[in-house]
Amino acid sequence: GESVGLHLPTLSVQEGDNSIINCAYSNSASDYFIWYKQESGKGPQFIIDIRSNMDKRQGQRVTVLLNKTVKHLSLQIAATQPGDSAVYFCAEMDSSYKLIFGSGTRLLVRP
Amino acid sequence: NAGVTQTPKFQVLKTGQSMTLQCAQDMNHNSMYWYRQDPGMGLRLIYYSASEGTTDKGEVPNGYNVSRLNKREFSLRLESAAPSQTSVYFCASSPREGYQPQHFGDGTRLSIL
Repeated sequence: GESVGLHLPTLSVQEGDNSIINCAYSNSASDYFIWYKQESGKGPQFIIDIRSNMDKRQGQRVTVLLNKTVKHLSLQIAATQPGDSAVYFCAEMDSSYKLIFGSGTRLLVRP
Repeated sequence: NAGVTQTPKFQVLKTGQSMTLQCAQDMNHNSMYWYRQDPGMGLRLIYYSASEGTTDKGEVPNGYNVSRLNKREFSLRLESAAPSQTSVYFCASSPREGYQPQHFGDGTRLSIL
């Protein structure tokens, strides 16, 4: 997976638009998935999680979708705000209970 | 609410020096974790403690040791620092081992010259 760094995939959206951040995970046996937000100089901050027996879960302005068939996870952010600008990571967990972090995506919100 | 507190926030060491990174959580969590984050790579697990009195190796344990001092505190020690250990180190905790989110501190930025 990719961490905070110079060559992260970047998604640029207009303030007020919806954002969709995608993640491909590696282990078909993973049972639990988490999205984290990381702002510059800070630690990862929990956003939302989902178990493998669900395909959708909603929070406040965020929705996570899980497609186990193609091992794909997405995070949708409604009405994106400047404060949403950060690096977003997905993470997966299997029965060993170890979190494996995926590629990070940088979200830039244009005013 | 402090959550997970890490000290120090920044540190510069010379090759061969030793250092202990401190982590404390005030959420009464049973499980604690140490990760490193390098540019171009995801967070990688160094060591974890599923509960007080237990510690286990993660993905990248070489060159590190840990101590679970009590339920609140989990320290990471570099006995003989190497430039390859230059990284940002994050401590995390969760209520218990299992399908639960881990909550992270703000990291220690460590440079080894």
